[in-house]
This record gives sequence, structure tokens and C-alpha cells, in this order.
Amino acid sequence: AQKITQTQPGMFVQEKEAVTLDCTYDTSDQSYGLFWYKQPSSGEMIFLIYQGSYDEQNATEGRYSLNFQKARKSANLVISASQLGDSAMYFCAMRGGNNDMRFGAGTRLTVKP
Amino acid sequence: KAGVTQTPRYLIKTRGQQVTLSCSPISGHRSVSWYQQTPGQGLQFLFEYFSETQRNKGNFPGRFSGRQFSNSRSEMNVSTLELGDSALYLCASSLAPASYNEQFFGPGTRLTVL
Repeated sequence: AQKITQTQPGMFVQEKEAVTLDCTYDTSDQSYGLFWYKQPSSGEMIFLIYQGSYDEQNATEGRYSLNFQKARKSANLVISASQLGDSAMYFCAMRGGNNDMRFGAGTRLTVKP
Repeated sequence: KAGVTQTPRYLIKTRGQQVTLSCSPISGHRSVSWYQQTPGQGLQFLFEYFSETQRNKGNFPGRFSGRQFSNSRSEMNVSTLELGDSALYLCASSLAPASYNEQFFGPGTRLTVL
């Protein structure tokens, strides 16, 4: 069974600093995808970044990067130069094989001015 | 390209009633997934449709059902509503149900059951 674990219910970061949101996963699939989504208070889920299990390089999208450590089964999201608009819930998700996409419990990030 | 649209955005029903929610995927996307989001249970997978066929189903009672039409639009239905069905229902579309395809979400339908 697939399982996603986000151990940080809430995180605080100072504006303009970097922050790392943790995500570990468990799967028996060899091929899988890892995703991060942002959910502002408005409720809409916004896709941020994707990492394939066979990708050798860490994914980056603007200020977002994914620290992928396959042996440790971790896929941490790094947000550089935090902005006030980054305050939101962040969800890690995984999809493998013929399975549906599974989400972690989420981390609420608060950016302080 | 238009994003995923969901209608209605808000809905208030009473116990015992039934409700139908609609989702229109991004043009060209053939896979549609539905999720229920509550403060207590988080994001839970309901079902996924691809080419009008239900591909996966989450651990929900039979009161929850769905379907997909030939134009990839999808509907989900909840019969005999219970108070615990109050939630944000999110629809997501992707090109196909593959591990490398990201899902794009709609704004959600917030259902309140009184």
C-alpha cells in the first residue's frame, strides 16, 4: 500500500528565508511520481512541482525545488526566498503503477513579515 | 486553456437528500479523479474515471457514485446524505492516469449537510 507522511503539521518562516517541508513515502512500486501541491485559504489545489522516481536530478520550478532522496524515500519541498503569499497548506502526494494518487496530511506554512 | 471547472461551488442540503456535483476537465484531459476533503480526515480519494470507465475506487460507501461522459466531463452523486458528508469535494483532471502526469484541480464544491 502507498503511504505518504508529512510530520510537520505547522511551520513558520521569516519572509525572504528558505524553508524545507518534509515528506516521506512508502511504496513497493518501482515507477512512481511525487508531487507537491499548495492550497491557499481559498481552497483550490495548485500544482507546484513533480519528481519522477527515475529522475536522477532534483526537480526545480522557480523558487521551488524538490530534495529527492530515493534510498530514504523522502521528497522534501524547499521554498527559497519565502514570500507572504506562500502562506498556505502544502500537500505531498504520490502516484505509482495503477494506483490512485495519495496525499499526505499536509503542512500549514506561515510566512512572517 | 481553461482550467478545471466544478459546479456548483456551494451547496446546502439536508440529511437524506441526494446531490450531484459536476466537473469539467481541462480540454484534452481524459482522466478525472474525485476527492473529499475534511478537517478531520484530510484529502481522501473517492474514485477515478478514464475513458468513461471507473478505474479506481476509494474506501467510501456505495452512497457515493460517479460517472464520466464521452466528452470526459464527470459527475459524482451522493445519495441519502449524512451530516458527515459535509466537506469540500475536489475534482482533478490529468491527461491520463499515469504516475508521471500531474493532476490539476478545480476550485471545489463545498457541500454542507444540515
